[in-house]
Amino acid sequence: SQTIHQWPATLVQPVGSPLSLECTVEGTSNPNLYWYRQAAGRGLQLLFYSVGIGQISSEVPQNLSASRPQDRQFILSSKKLLLSDSGFYLCAWTGLAGGNEQFFGPGTRLTVL
Amino acid sequence: DQQVKQNSPSLSVQEGRISILNCDYTNSMFDYFLWYKKYPAEGPTFLISISSIKDKNEDGRFTVFLNKSAKHLSLHIVPSQPGDSAVYFCAATESNYQLIWGAGTKLIIKP
Repeated sequence: SQTIHQWPATLVQPVGSPLSLECTVEGTSNPNLYWYRQAAGRGLQLLFYSVGIGQISSEVPQNLSASRPQDRQFILSSKKLLLSDSGFYLCAWTGLAGGNEQFFGPGTRLTVL
Repeated sequence: DQQVKQNSPSLSVQEGRISILNCDYTNSMFDYFLWYKKYPAEGPTFLISISSIKDKNEDGRFTVFLNKSAKHLSLHIVPSQPGDSAVYFCAATESNYQLIWGAGTKLIIKP
């Protein structure tokens, strides 16, 4: 069966520091991968998605970037965090032949102070 | 422009009764609709979906209804249980890799 991992689970970082969040998927090949952010009391905002290694589409221009160095690895990064980057970050995957359902990881709670 | 709207931020229902969560959309090209459930500090979990060629899909206590002419779908949970208390998200897609999400409805089941 497929599983998706995210780490760290929680992170507290000062303003201006760098960020690296990692997401890996097991049990599937060539998944579509997604990064979302949920701000407090808000819905899900799609940040990036990837249909293959090295292929990244950005939905919202911002302080963040994403990379996909391997088929089942998706990384969310920032060079300098802003206070507004605080939120709950979710990684999701979907299989090309598996329909439209996206399956989510446990999330990372990021607090920027 | 919100293409998927959940107009009720919260809903309170007595345990054992029916919970009805609503979702409206504006894009007539959407061909697949999904409902997710989310507990605090966890990722959303997929609940149930429906294709635009159907008007009803049922899975246990969960039923999703789709009214294409009204661009409206609803999730019925019956009977409601305490563990159903969560935030419910509606999502839609044109089957093009992306899901468009509603803002969510917080469901509270009262004992």
